[in-house]
Amino acid sequence: SQTIHQWPATLVQPVGSPLSLECTVEGTSNPNLYWYRQAAGRGLQLLFYSVGIGQISSEVPQNLSASRPQDRQFILSSKKLLLSDSGFYLCAWSYPRMGGVQPQHFGDGTRLSIL
Amino acid sequence: GQQLNQSPQSMFIQEGEDVSMNCTSSSIFNTWLWYKQDPGEGPVLLIALYKAGELTSNGRLTAQFGITRKDSFLNISASIPSDVGIYFCAGSQGNLIFGKGTKLSVKP
Repeated sequence: SQTIHQWPATLVQPVGSPLSLECTVEGTSNPNLYWYRQAAGRGLQLLFYSVGIGQISSEVPQNLSASRPQDRQFILSSKKLLLSDSGFYLCAWSYPRMGGVQPQHFGDGTRLSIL
Repeated sequence: GQQLNQSPQSMFIQEGEDVSMNCTSSSIFNTWLWYKQDPGEGPVLLIALYKAGELTSNGRLTAQFGITRKDSFLNISASIPSDVGIYFCAGSQGNLIFGKGTKLSVKP
């Protein structure tokens, strides 16, 4: 069966520090991968998605970047965090789209607090 | 752009009550998904709908893909305390768009 792991579960970082959040998927090959941010426990905002290694699409301009160095690894980064980067970050995977949208399956998230 | 309106925003339940929530869109969707999120965790997929008019159940949960393809409904029968959480609808014509969620709480 497929599993998705995100870490760390919680992170407290000072303003201006760098960020690296990691997400890995097991049990499937060539998944689509996604990063979302969720503010105040509601509303999921898609940040990035990837359909393959090295292929990243950005949905909103921001202070963050994403990379996919391996098939089942997705990394969310920032060189200098802002206060507004605080939130709950969720990684998700889906099967590649084949004639229709595939459901996305989420990790347990990373709670990021910027001080 | 595409928008989803999910209602109600929040509701209180008493054990044993039936619960209904819905999502409407300004655009036609070809997929509707329903998720539940517990505090501090990621959303978990409950039901996926792929055809207009489709009615699908998962235990006490039943969801329907509206015939106009612009709405979807989720019903929970005989609610229990562990049903509390936030329920999200998501629809797609290409990329997945999420509603803002319905928060279910227990009546004080």
